[in-house]
Amino acid sequence: AQSVSQHNHHVILSEAASLELGCNYSYGGTVNLFWYVQYPGQHLQLLLKYFSGDPLVKGIKGFEAEFIKSKFSFNLRKPSVQWSDTAEYFCAVNAGGFKTIFGAGTRLFVKA
Amino acid sequence: DAGVIQSPRHEVTEMGQEVTLRCKPISGHNSLFWYRQTMMRGLELLIYFNNNVPIDDSGMPEDRFSAKMPNASFSTLKIQPSEPRDSAVYFCASTPRGRGLAGGNEQFFGPGTRLTVL
Repeated sequence: AQSVSQHNHHVILSEAASLELGCNYSYGGTVNLFWYVQYPGQHLQLLLKYFSGDPLVKGIKGFEAEFIKSKFSFNLRKPSVQWSDTAEYFCAVNAGGFKTIFGAGTRLFVKA
Repeated sequence: DAGVIQSPRHEVTEMGQEVTLRCKPISGHNSLFWYRQTMMRGLELLIYFNNNVPIDDSGMPEDRFSAKMPNASFSTLKIQPSEPRDSAVYFCASTPRGRGLAGGNEQFFGPGTRLTVL
């Protein structure tokens, strides 16, 4: 069965620090990959997505993610975080069916 | 365009009562998903529909939970009878007709219904 693993459940950073959140998935075929963000008290919103092409994907608010097929990974990065990036981040994978598998989420807290 | 609409936004009820949550997907979207989110279990997929037909309800926790999608613009999730452990935020999401991988597009989430069962 497909699965998505997010390595960190909680991350605490100071403003201006660099961010990298790990995501690995288990599926050997072609996949669509997503990162969603959930700000406190809000619903999930799409941060960025990868369907095909350039494996380095740029999203909103300065986030980017790199798809490394050989490692089954899709890590999220941001060079310099802000207090407003405090949120929960979900990696998600779709392997061609209707169902998208979500990771358990990583809670990011950015200290001002 | 209006996004996914859910109602009510908040629901407080007593154990044993019937609860009905409602969702209106984005017009033109053909897949609809119901999720439950709690601190303990995170985001759980309960059931999803494609073209109004339930495809997979294996995530529905018990027979007390049921979902319907009578037409392309409306879905309900019903809990009868409700229990305190059903307290959670319930999200509805919809997906447009897929491009590339069939059905593999991004999901658009509604604002959620925060359910509290006393």
